[in-house]
Amino acid sequence: KAGVTQTPRYLIKTRGQQVTLSCSPISGHRSVSWYQQTPGQGLQFLFEYFSETQRNKGNFPGRFSGRQFSNSRSEMNVSTLELGDSALYLCASSLDGRAAGELFFGEGSRLTVL
Amino acid sequence: GQNIDQPTEMTATEGAIVQINCTYQTSGFNGLFWYQQHAGEAPTFLSYNVLDGLEEKGRFSSFLSRSKGYSYLLLKELQMKDSASYLCAVRDGGGYNKLIFGAGTRLAVHP
Repeated sequence: KAGVTQTPRYLIKTRGQQVTLSCSPISGHRSVSWYQQTPGQGLQFLFEYFSETQRNKGNFPGRFSGRQFSNSRSEMNVSTLELGDSALYLCASSLDGRAAGELFFGEGSRLTVL
Repeated sequence: GQNIDQPTEMTATEGAIVQINCTYQTSGFNGLFWYQQHAGEAPTFLSYNVLDGLEEKGRFSSFLSRSKGYSYLLLKELQMKDSASYLCAVRDGGGYNKLIFGAGTRLAVHP
């Protein structure tokens, strides 16, 4: 059974650009959540999607957005990139929407903003 | 507020047993997770506790006491490859898959 797949794995952007990251959850999993990991702040929750609806959002500016498609795949977008957006962006999938059971992470997308 | 505390660093000897503690104060609770994360890699799922008690999985065990806001991860027969960061995370209440993470415990296993 394939795990959570994130693309691209590595990318470099410059300030002011925008970026789109993709996440394919484990087959059958319908909940996808996104996290940002930085050395200073650790792992922080960005948002969660279930059945194409954003159910919860963390304390990030509106430049961070996302969406989920009918096949449960999800994308997140960061516009007007800042140096501080350099981080490992992790996607996690879970089986259903009842917020129960295990949560599995993908390998992450490492974003560097120059 | 939301607060999850775990020791910053620990060291142990190969073959030994180590216990990593985690205390939490969160507005809601719907399960506690432990993840292992090697440097430069993504977190790997280790364990999930939603009821009080001990969950054992091979060399790893995790314990939860909801009344005390306390959990520990027990690693037995330590191996060099167990050198990693161990992350304690609480799933917030409210029916959402939102995890609140501690800062992580860096474990160094020495020969």
